[in-house]
Amino acid sequence: EAGVTQFPSHSVIEKGQTVTLRCDPISGHDNLYWYRRVMGKEIKFLLHFVKESKQDESGMPNNRFLAERTGGTYSTLKVQPAELEDSGVYFCASSHGLGYTFGSGTRLTVV
Amino acid sequence: AQSVTQLDSQVPVFEEAPVELRCNYSSSVSVYLFWYVQYPNQGLQLLLKYLSGSTLVESINGFEAEFNKSQTSFHLRKPSVHISDTAEYFCAVSDNFGNEKLTFGTGTRLTIIP
Repeated sequence: EAGVTQFPSHSVIEKGQTVTLRCDPISGHDNLYWYRRVMGKEIKFLLHFVKESKQDESGMPNNRFLAERTGGTYSTLKVQPAELEDSGVYFCASSHGLGYTFGSGTRLTVV
Repeated sequence: AQSVTQLDSQVPVFEEAPVELRCNYSSSVSVYLFWYVQYPNQGLQLLLKYLSGSTLVESINGFEAEFNKSQTSFHLRKPSVHISDTAEYFCAVSDNFGNEKLTFGTGTRLTIIP
């Protein structure tokens, strides 16, 4: 089966610009998670979708971040406007309740 | 609330030597415990996990970890490392009430010296 796919793999944008990250989960996985690792720090939970519904978005840093999962398939995470502190690696994972499969991550650099 | 502490950010080890990567956690509820590994330019992969039963769990590539409830630890060990073990290792916990949300440590970068 295909794994969790994230793109782009890398993105470099200027402060104030908008960036959209995409995650394609494993087909049939209702649960989709976003995590972020800021340089040198721990990987932190951002939010959890069950199908198209946000189950838990307690980790979203602020209202510059918007996550969607229309139709319960792929998910997007938009950062608008991006700030320097948003730089890091954004991981997506999907699950059908028996453990995660992570994507390779998107490395976002805001300059 | 839960937290995970990985005290060693970097661990250099000679090839074929043993290694221990330390992980301690804090939680007010019972937990599941995990070790994830990230090889260079790849995503996070599950290495091993403790859910219940035997406190000693093993991976297919020779790593093992032991859940110690009294010391709230889940240290990762391997008796003889290989160059291919070079990676970053993350300890993580989740509650055992069906919530899969993970709390991670800061990671330990394992470097194998030939």
